[in-house]
This record gives sequence, C-alpha cells and structure tokens, in this order.
Amino acid sequence: DAKTTQPTSMDCAEGRAANLPCNHSTISGNEYVYWYRQIHSQGPQYIIHGLKNNETNEMASLIITEDRKSSTLILPHATLRDTAVYYCIVRLNNNDMRFGAGTRLTVKP
Amino acid sequence: GAGVSQSPSNKVTEKGKDVELRCDPISGHTALYWYRQRLGQGLEFLIYFQGNSAPDKSGLPSDRFSAERTGESVSTLTIQRTQQEDSAVYLCASSSGGRVQPQHFGDGTRLSIL
Repeated sequence: DAKTTQPTSMDCAEGRAANLPCNHSTISGNEYVYWYRQIHSQGPQYIIHGLKNNETNEMASLIITEDRKSSTLILPHATLRDTAVYYCIVRLNNNDMRFGAGTRLTVKP
Repeated sequence: GAGVSQSPSNKVTEKGKDVELRCDPISGHTALYWYRQRLGQGLEFLIYFQGNSAPDKSGLPSDRFSAERTGESVSTLTIQRTQQEDSAVYLCASSSGGRVQPQHFGDGTRLSIL
C-alpha cells in the first residue's frame, strides 16, 4: 500500500541545490508529508514536514504543490555529508511511519 | 539535549537464544516505536506505545517478539528463540505524542544471529 513514489537514486554536485521529488497522488486532506534521511549505519534523521504550505527550516525547504499530490525537498547547498537515503512519508496519525525505499542521493565533489 | 539511546549497539548471538534490546527515549516523550530494518531495505513497523494506552502490536512478526514499556520511560524489545531471519537493525524512535509530531530515532541495535 505504497502511498509515495520517489526516484531510486539521484546525483547532485557539491554546493548546488538538491531537489528531491516525491509523488503522493492519493494523499488525504489531513495527511502530512514528512521527510527523513538515513546516513549509513545511523538511524533515520527527521528533516521537515508540512501539510499544505511550503516550509523551511535550517536543514531544508519543503515545497508542496497546490493540489498536494506531490512535493519537493530542497537542500539549498548540498555538501558531501548530505549523501544519504531520503524518505518521503505521508502520515495520517501517530502510528507507524511507513518508510518506502527512498531516494539514494549522492553528492559528488 | 540527549537523543534516543539504544543498547547494545551490536549484538551477536546463537540461533535459539533469547535477546533483549533496550531503548531510552527522549525525556518527556510519551510515544515510543520499535522498527526493524533488514539489510538494504526500508523500515518495518513493529510496535507502538503511547502513554498508558494499550500498545499497538500489529507489526510484531510472530509471538517470539514482545516489548514492554514502563510508564513513559525505558522500553525493552525481547526476541525469544532467535532465528537467522531475525538478523537486522532494530530501531527505536520517540515523539512527544502529538498527532503530527515527528519521530526521533536512535542509531539502532545491529542484531546478528549465527
């Protein structure tokens, strides 16, 4: 019952913006979009979440389309340390976070 | 402040033995989750605790798996009569319990069954 679709992998040049897309065409009106990332051998790290407005924090920006069927996570100036698997998750309530396969982002020098 | 702490970080044991994994959530977090992550795969939900409510055990794969949590503190995940397919990283997460609050993860316990 996958609720999100992400590309399997992406590359980005160091210092450039990384734009990671996510499709969630079956999202319900009160479901939030969350982004996490997982660096090798570590637990997932929370990045950002939003409902319908665009959001920005110290790590990233989240752009959600007006129809809420897709979103983009933006890392404005990618560094080598941003190489990780990025997960987009649609979540209705406080129970389990259904992590899919995510996007493997490789930042290259 | 301190994040979610899990112990041990690594555990190697023989097939058939019981193992106990520990999770110390962030202080004040009422919600606690256990996940399993097999090599190269995504996270698999196991169990969820919220305050004093009955836990959601819907993700536990078999009756060999159980978990306890005392109040809003430490949780232990127990696997009895371990099998080789139990080899995985077991991750714990906690959140402040609000419906939209993000989960914060520990670095997991890497369990290897020989």
